[in-house]
Amino acid sequence: EDKVVQSPLSLVVHEGDTVTLNCSYEVTNFRSLLWYKQEKKAPTFLFMLTSSGIEKKSGRLSSILDKKELFSILNITATQTGDSAVYLCAVESDLWGGSEKLVFGKGTKLTVNP
Amino acid sequence: DGGITQSPKYLFRKEGQNVTLSCEQNLNHDAMYWYRQDPGQGLRLIYYSQIVNDFQKGDIAEGYSVSREKKESFPLTVTSAQKNPTAFYLCASKRSGQGGYGYTFGSGTRLTVV
Repeated sequence: EDKVVQSPLSLVVHEGDTVTLNCSYEVTNFRSLLWYKQEKKAPTFLFMLTSSGIEKKSGRLSSILDKKELFSILNITATQTGDSAVYLCAVESDLWGGSEKLVFGKGTKLTVNP
Repeated sequence: DGGITQSPKYLFRKEGQNVTLSCEQNLNHDAMYWYRQDPGQGLRLIYYSQIVNDFQKGDIAEGYSVSREKKESFPLTVTSAQKNPTAFYLCASKRSGQGGYGYTFGSGTRLTVV
């Protein structure tokens, strides 16, 4: 059974702190790993990772994938209250018939206090 | 603007009643998905469809049914057989050939059984 595990499940920090969110996975036909930010409604795309060791960066957020150890991390530096959200890690894997699906972890709820 | 429209945003149902959640997309995407989200559980796949008139069960299909009579539409019916229907339901679609970048999510429907 495909599985994605995120840790921690919940995190409370102060503005300006740096946080690291973890995601490990076990899937049979890995295609890519995705990070999303969810604030009560539709998840918002952050990163897609397919190759090991190549850091993706967008402003204060960055992410990297290790395909040998089957995990990824999402870093957020200089956190702001607007970073408060649930961060979802998902792995895209193959379905029967040639299509794909996303397998999600439970998410990390990040709360940034002023 | 292209996107996915889910309706209604909030839905209340009495126990024993069937209810249908709407999902419409004007992105010309072939694949469509229904996910269920419970607090602390992440997103779990209910049903998916690769093409018109074809759909497959996901990981938690019991108590749900779908149809795909048009490319644009993928309604989800929550039947009385679903024991714990109170949840947040997300519809997604995917453009072929874009890998993980290709997913678009609706804004969700929050279903409450009263």
